[in-house]
Amino acid sequence: EAGVVQSPRYKIIEKKQPVAFWCNPISGHNTLYWYLQNLGQGPELLIRYENEEAVDDSQLPKDRFSAERLKGVDSTLKIQPAELGDSAVYLCASSYPGPFETQYFGPGTRLLVL
Amino acid sequence: SQQGEEDPQALSIQEGENATMNCSYKTSINNLQWYRQNSGRGLVHLILIRSNEREKHSGRLRVTLDTSKKSSSLLITASRAADTASYFCATDEGRGSRLTFGEGTQLTVNP
Repeated sequence: EAGVVQSPRYKIIEKKQPVAFWCNPISGHNTLYWYLQNLGQGPELLIRYENEEAVDDSQLPKDRFSAERLKGVDSTLKIQPAELGDSAVYLCASSYPGPFETQYFGPGTRLLVL
Repeated sequence: SQQGEEDPQALSIQEGENATMNCSYKTSINNLQWYRQNSGRGLVHLILIRSNEREKHSGRLRVTLDTSKKSSSLLITASRAADTASYFCATDEGRGSRLTFGEGTQLTVNP
C-alpha cells in the first residue's frame, strides 16, 4: 500500500513569492491534516479535513495561507505571499476512519524562504 | 502551541542499553501517542495508550501513563543504532479536539 505522498520535497523561494504544496493521502483515508514543523519542534496542526470539509482551521493564518481538498482526496496548501518566517517543514498526514486513529505522515516539504 | 514537554531534550546511549523518555502534558487527555521521526523524514506512529490504561507494550517498546501526574514515559529496551531518531509524544482531549505534539527527545544510539 502506498503511503502519503507529498510534493515537492524541497522548495526554495524568495519572500513575497507564492508557493503551493500538494498531498495525496492513503487511499480510503477520509481525514487529512496539514502540519507545520519548525526546526527542533514538534508538528503543529494547521488544518484538518474530514472529506472535503475543513473541520479545524483555527491555527491556519488565513491572511496568507489557504488550503483546499477538492473531491475529498488530494489536498493543496498555499502560501501567498511567503515570508521569511514561513521557512519550515510542511507535513501532510491522513487517517481512517476518525481523527484519533493512527495518523500516517508523508515525508514533508521543506520550505526555505530567502 | 505545544501541549507537552519531553524530557530529556537529547539522549545519547550505547547500543544494547535501554532508553527512557518522558513526556508531561497540561490538560486532561483522551489518548496519548508516541511517534518517531528519522532525520528528514515524516513521523511514524509507534504506540497509543488510552487515558484508562496504565501500561502498554509493543515489541521493545513499553509505555506508561500516569494521569494523576499528567505524564507518560517511553522505554526502548536493547536499543539499536537504527533507533536513532526524534521521539514525540502527542495527546488529544477527546473527539473533535486536535492532536497536540510535544517538542521531542532526540535519541542517539551509538554503535
